[in-house]
Amino acid sequence: KQEVTQIPAALSVPEGENLVLNCSFTDSAIYNLQWFRQDPGKGLTSLLLIQSSQREQTSGRLNASLDKSSGRSTLYIAASQPGDSATYLCAAPSDGSARQLTFGSGTQLTVLP
Amino acid sequence: DAGITQSPRHKVTETGTPVTLRCHQTENHRYMYWYRQDPGHGLRLIHYSYGVKDTDKGEVSDGYSVSRSKTEDFLLTLESATSSQTSVYFCAISGKDLDQETQYFGPGTRLLVL
Repeated sequence: KQEVTQIPAALSVPEGENLVLNCSFTDSAIYNLQWFRQDPGKGLTSLLLIQSSQREQTSGRLNASLDKSSGRSTLYIAASQPGDSATYLCAAPSDGSARQLTFGSGTQLTVLP
Repeated sequence: DAGITQSPRHKVTETGTPVTLRCHQTENHRYMYWYRQDPGHGLRLIHYSYGVKDTDKGEVSDGYSVSRSKTEDFLLTLESATSSQTSVYFCAISGKDLDQETQYFGPGTRLLVL
């Protein structure tokens, strides 16, 4: 059974700092891995999807990497801004199925002005 | 915004009553999903659909049923609501054109079962 872990559960940084969020998964036979953002009281917003054949994916100030062999993914946020404050979740396919996702519990990020 | 709406957005009901939540999409995505989100458990898949009248169970399907009679609508029914089904329910969609894997989420429905 796929298990996804995100550490730390919460992170507070000053504005402008570069930061890394971590995601680990137990079943490395995955097709892809997705990162999402969730603002309080809102639904999830897709940030990046990395295919298993890729090692990195970039979107603006965000860069996600995937290392299947070690069961890890990282989300790098450059030059953080207060507007980046949210909960960040990663999700990996469950038991080899590309349709069923297992989510981590998320990292709650606060960027202080 | 991937063209997903959920209704109702908030609902309070009593134990033992049936409840139906609706997810509507305007983007013609093939796959639709129902999740619940709870403190301490995160997001868990309830059911999903891979086409009209084609559905499958997720991790926490007990006590829930679904139906998809049209591409754009996916209904989640709690036959007899229990307090343990108090949660925030999210619908998601995926599977369109070259972007087959990314899941797009709706705004959620907050359900309170008294």
